Amino acid sequence: DGGITQSPKYLFRKEGQNVTLSCEQNLNHDAMYWYRQDPGQGLRLIYYSQIVNDFQKGDIAEGYSVSREKKESFPLTVTSAQKNPTAFYLCASSWSAQDQPQHFGDGTRLSIL
Amino acid sequence: DQQVKQNSPSLSVQEGRISILNCDYTNSMFDYFLWYKKYPAEGPTFLISISSIKDKNEDGRFTVFLNKSAKHLSLHIVPSQPGDSAVYFCAASAGGGTSYGKLTFGQGTILTVHP
Repeated sequence: DGGITQSPKYLFRKEGQNVTLSCEQNLNHDAMYWYRQDPGQGLRLIYYSQIVNDFQKGDIAEGYSVSREKKESFPLTVTSAQKNPTAFYLCASSWSAQDQPQHFGDGTRLSIL
Repeated sequence: DQQVKQNSPSLSVQEGRISILNCDYTNSMFDYFLWYKKYPAEGPTFLISISSIKDKNEDGRFTVFLNKSAKHLSLHIVPSQPGDSAVYFCAASAGGGTSYGKLTFGQGTILTVHP
């Protein structure tokens, strides 16, 4: 079955630590995205990538970093510089950055210990 | 600046009746609109979309209406079923012709369908 896999589903981080969230897709999509969801709010774009070895900042990129070394993988690192990292993180992909809809993974919930 | 707004945080309807979820936007550059459904601890699932060249799109029990002059769209679910209970997000894109179709999401509306 084609889809987007995010792991782990739940993640805990100590203050001052970096943590990396995994996102893998086997849909052969060129474009991939990372969103953050907070309670009572819509999804906000952190980073997106239109193609391998390219990525762009979204609306709330501060404190986050990404890489896109392979088409199927778009990991997100939440750095210690992110002041309020506790949130639900969603990865998405689409055929291209111009195409809709975007298809989402099941998310990773990050909590600070 | 909230460019896409869903002003009703929640909606409760009886099974078999119509559910109407509303969404307003402010950016006149938006030309493509989508509705997503989301269950707790899962990612959003695409439901239905509409381009700004249309004013209505149907897919089974789901119909989306777009009123460009009012910058308003709505999702109608008829008949509503208990399995429809979820959070519904409206999203908009200004991608047409540009290099990137970024999605801007509303805050979501929690729909509860009672048996």
